[in-house]
Amino acid sequence: EVVLTQSPGTLSLSPGERATLSCRASQSISNRYLAWYQQRPGQAPRLLIYGASSRATGIPDRFSGSGSGTDFTLTISRLDPGDFAVYYCQQYGSSVTFGPGTKVDIK
Amino acid sequence: EVQLVESGGGLVQPGGSLRLSCAASGFAFDDYAMHWVRHVPGKGLERVSGLSWNSVTIDYADSVKGRFTISRDNVKNILYLEMNSLRAEDTALYYCAKDYRELPRYYLDHWGQGTLVTVSS
Repeated sequence: EVVLTQSPGTLSLSPGERATLSCRASQSISNRYLAWYQQRPGQAPRLLIYGASSRATGIPDRFSGSGSGTDFTLTISRLDPGDFAVYYCQQYGSSVTFGPGTKVDIK
Repeated sequence: EVQLVESGGGLVQPGGSLRLSCAASGFAFDDYAMHWVRHVPGKGLERVSGLSWNSVTIDYADSVKGRFTISRDNVKNILYLEMNSLRAEDTALYYCAKDYRELPRYYLDHWGQGTLVTVSS
């Protein structure tokens, strides 16, 4: 099973700042089959990024994804108040597994 | 608009059973794989089970294998999760989610709002 590790566990930032979240896999993920989700408190997860770097429908361009192999990054260029949430990565190169999440909270 | 509405959650004793349902609308249900994903507050997401469009390909997490059964009715557009021999560690919010494609091996592009399962005596 591919194990995903996300860092940091918590990221404390202010609105308008840049957020950089990391997702590392225990083995190389084929075809860059990695997705990112946002989960706001009390809400269902929402797909942000698939294929490591493609934005899902309706996702603003301040969200961007990059990476390949075992190292992937989600970048939020300028944090909006609604961006303070938990972010999960998910790989689908070998079955389906999720990372433990990174919480982005207000500093 | 894609809509996924879960139901069937509740309080059940350890060793008991429960059946979750997910009513789907707004897309061609029989073209896509579906998943059940659970979330324990303060912990991460766990894909519990996935089912292909034609019910041939089925995936289960090791933690539920032999106890949970996923199924679907492509006429009624409903996804099910039959949960038996429930344990305290199965307590979670259970989400129904749609896969991007016909096999349960991709990303999940739409999610329901979840149904809460509590296993406690």
